[in-house]
Amino acid sequence: ETGVTQTPRHLVMGMTNKKSLKCEQHLGHNAMYWYKQSAKKPLELMFVYNFKEQTENNSVPSRFSPECPNSSHLFLHLHTLQPEDSALYLCASSQNAGRGLALQETQYFGPGTRLLVL
Amino acid sequence: RKEVEQDPGPFNVPEGATVAFNCTYSNSASQSFFWYRQDCRKEPKLLMSVYSSGNEDGRFTAQLNRASQYISLLIRDSKLSDSATYLCVVNSRAGGYNKLIFGAGTRLAVHP
Repeated sequence: ETGVTQTPRHLVMGMTNKKSLKCEQHLGHNAMYWYKQSAKKPLELMFVYNFKEQTENNSVPSRFSPECPNSSHLFLHLHTLQPEDSALYLCASSQNAGRGLALQETQYFGPGTRLLVL
Repeated sequence: RKEVEQDPGPFNVPEGATVAFNCTYSNSASQSFFWYRQDCRKEPKLLMSVYSSGNEDGRFTAQLNRASQYISLLIRDSKLSDSATYLCVVNSRAGGYNKLIFGAGTRLAVHP
């Protein structure tokens, strides 16, 4: 419905596993985002990509590794996660995350991947 | 101090009630403001932008007070379907780029 899809929708992984989350947007946007949403906490911005270039890394641990091969696709590679990393991971896109443009710009979210780390 | 603060609620109201949510933000340089709605186990979706002069969309009215760094959302004639978490969102500029800062949300439960 929103034009942003995410897979998988649910993921259970052990602390030694490697997995990847995928996001795809069909809206023709140039900016894509990864957010983390833990229970009772605000959405935390993790990474921002604008025209495939990373413009924000919000002090995210290196066990989270983003990849943006083109403006429509965004990945989050996971490696040696901790139980406290269990959360809902949301991808979003917007027309442009650029400088001074579109201050009223809307972000469209995907349905999220609910991650449980055991 | 949190960048965006909201009363977490929950607000439990009967159908037809009027309910108001408040939000404060810390960055006086913020220029854009939004309310998003998030249903249980779903993604956030834009409800409405908030403009300086205040704006209305059907039963929903948003107000902004820049001097007090305060944003409000008023819902009139509440419906059962309004039950959700309402997120106050503020634009922030860092390194020349715009990014959105989300509040933790206010939960609304409308009962028959």
